[in-house]
Amino acid sequence: GAGVSQTPSNKVTEKGKYVELRCDPISGHTALYWYRQSLGQGPEFLIYFQGTGAADDSGLPNDRFFAVRPEGSVSTLKIQRTERGDSAVYLCASSLTYRGNTGELFFGEGSRLTVL
Amino acid sequence: AQSVAQPEDQVNVAEGNPLTVKCTYSVSGNPYLFWYVQYPNRGLQFLLKYITGDNLVKGSYGFEAEFNKSQTSFHLKKPSALVSDSALYFCAVRERVTGGGNKLTFGTGTQLKVEL
Repeated sequence: GAGVSQTPSNKVTEKGKYVELRCDPISGHTALYWYRQSLGQGPEFLIYFQGTGAADDSGLPNDRFFAVRPEGSVSTLKIQRTERGDSAVYLCASSLTYRGNTGELFFGEGSRLTVL
Repeated sequence: AQSVAQPEDQVNVAEGNPLTVKCTYSVSGNPYLFWYVQYPNRGLQFLLKYITGDNLVKGSYGFEAEFNKSQTSFHLKKPSALVSDSALYFCAVRERVTGGGNKLTFGTGTQLKVEL
């Protein structure tokens, strides 16, 4: 597609449920990032994929959060046993990776997660 | 750790007047700095970046930013504001990560409101 696509755009769930958020990056972009944006805050880094592997997952808040990218394109962010504090907008971004890449990321519109 | 600070939660300006949105940074080494804009219910959009070279960087929609190393600042500017510029603006700094990726650390954002 032309841009980064995220689904669902909105997800309402109950505390304790399992949630999956999907990201389809720009075709050909090898790098994929997940960020979380809470109300009134800037986006916070969660995890970065280079191809199929998670190159940096230092931003995942705890072991309830997990992400995969099995074929090096689409990625899924998985949240187990959701808590009210997980409510936020989850942003996905992608970029090219090559020597000299200076860092511009292309963001999707986000998935708004509300945990009741 | 690298960081950016946006000291103003909101900036109000009249249409046609110049605008400035402030950002200061803290990095080790040479800074790679970015401005992104977020319109309501839209994803983050890249505006401009400073990597090296001229301290005045020009970007999209008539925006520019001035890099000042001695003051560790990277303020966003526009000579004549438009009502359509009203949005949430984020300053960010890049951190190089394993595999050639680019992890951006964002500020908390500044809401720009341009009024007639």
